[in-house]
Amino acid sequence: AQRVTQPEKLLSVFKGAPVELKCNYSYSGSPELFWYVQYSRQRLQLLLRHISRESIKGFTADLNKGETSFHLKKPFAQEEDSAMYYCALRGGGSNYKLTFGKGTLLTVNP
Amino acid sequence: GAGVSQSPSNKVTEKGKDVELRCDPISGHTALYWYRQSLGQGLEFLIYFQGNSAPDKSGLPSDRFSAERTGGSVSTLTIQRTQQEDSAVYLCASSFGGGGNTEAFFGQGTRLTVV
Repeated sequence: AQRVTQPEKLLSVFKGAPVELKCNYSYSGSPELFWYVQYSRQRLQLLLRHISRESIKGFTADLNKGETSFHLKKPFAQEEDSAMYYCALRGGGSNYKLTFGKGTLLTVNP
Repeated sequence: GAGVSQSPSNKVTEKGKDVELRCDPISGHTALYWYRQSLGQGLEFLIYFQGNSAPDKSGLPSDRFSAERTGGSVSTLTIQRTQQEDSAVYLCASSFGGGGNTEAFFGQGTRLTVV
């Protein structure tokens, strides 16, 4: 079974402060991990994926297989980062089921 | 169209009625997903189609829910005898089904309200 846990439903920070959105997963094989974001009145869209090891809009996420975590981080939050963030897992091999966490609503205050 | 299209955008129905929600995936995408998004529940997986394989229906909450995908393209999610707890935004997504980190593209959703 594949499971994604985002322990924080709400996260509020001030502009310029660091932000970390937590994500833990459960999967017996080698999963593919993603972060998706939904801005107000917009579609859910991909933010970043672990295999690319990329930084998007200043966000990074490192896959820690030992801790089964994939936390999303940004050193200096901006007001436009306010959105709903979802961590997602897709199984490996021929299993393409995509499972999401319950999401974290990030609010960046001025 | 270039993206995933869902119709209708909004649907208000009376309790007990049946509803059909439609999803047009991106052309060429072999994987298609349905999710339900409600406040406090996040994105709840409902069903997943991959090519000609049998769909993964493990997320359907009851036998009132069913979905089909015709010709490997358009999908319809049907909810029979709707209940008030079915009120939510229903999201469809599609992706290439191959290996590797392939992105899932989402539709704008159908907001279902059962009164």
